[in-house]
Amino acid sequence: DTAVSQTPKYLVTQMGNDKSIKCEQNLGHDTMYWYKQDSKKFLKIMFSYNNKELIINETVPNRFSPKSPDKAHLNLHINSLELGDSAVYFCASSLGPGPYEQYFGPGTRLTVT
Amino acid sequence: AQKVTQAQTEISVVEKEDVTLDCVYETRDTTYYLFWYKQPPSGELVFLIRRNSFDEQNEISGRYSWNFQKSTSSFNFTITASQVVDSAVYFCALSEASAGGTSYGKLTFGQGTILTVHP
Repeated sequence: DTAVSQTPKYLVTQMGNDKSIKCEQNLGHDTMYWYKQDSKKFLKIMFSYNNKELIINETVPNRFSPKSPDKAHLNLHINSLELGDSAVYFCASSLGPGPYEQYFGPGTRLTVT
Repeated sequence: AQKVTQAQTEISVVEKEDVTLDCVYETRDTTYYLFWYKQPPSGELVFLIRRNSFDEQNEISGRYSWNFQKSTSSFNFTITASQVVDSAVYFCALSEASAGGTSYGKLTFGQGTILTVHP
C-alpha cells in the first residue's frame, strides 16, 4: 500500500496552460505539505495544511493554489504556467503540524516548454 | 531564521569505505529537531532519522550513525562500510519546535550532498 501517492508522476505542458497535481495519503495524518525541488536539488516548502486548514504559506506566486478537500488529500493547481515552474513537486504528510517526520510522495516532475 | 548548510556538494568513495556527511545548522530557537533524508536515484525522499535538540546522544542504526554536537551546531551522518546502494543525495533538515513560531513544523533543508559509492 502506497502511503503518500501523487498523480501524475510526469507532466509536460506548454507555457500559459493550467495544470493540477493530486496528492493522497493513507497514513491517517492530519498535516500535508507541498515542496518544490529545483534543478539543483534544492527543496523548499511551499504550503502546509492541517486538517484542511492552511497553516504555512511561503512566498509563492499566487498562480499556485493549494486545495484540501479533506485531510487525506492536498491538491496543487497552477495557473498560467511559466518556464521557471519546471521542477519536481513533492507532497508530504506528517502526524501533525509540529516538527514530526514527514513522509514524502514519489514526486511529480513538471516540465514547462 | 533557520538555515542548514551541507558544505560537501559531492562525495565519491569506493565500496567498503566509511564516509561522513557534514551538516551545520543555525537557529534562534532553543527547541528544535534535526532530520536526515535520503533521495536515491529513483527520486523518492526517504526519512532516515529525527533527533531533538535536547538529546545529544549519538544514534546508531546498522551501518548508519549520527553525531549531534550542539556546541558546534552540527549533526553529521556517517555510513560505515559503504555499499553501492548507498549512492544517493542526502539531505539534512531542521524544524523549529516552538509552537506559534513562524518556522514551527516547517522543514528547512540543506543543499544536499551527492554520495557516489563505486564498486
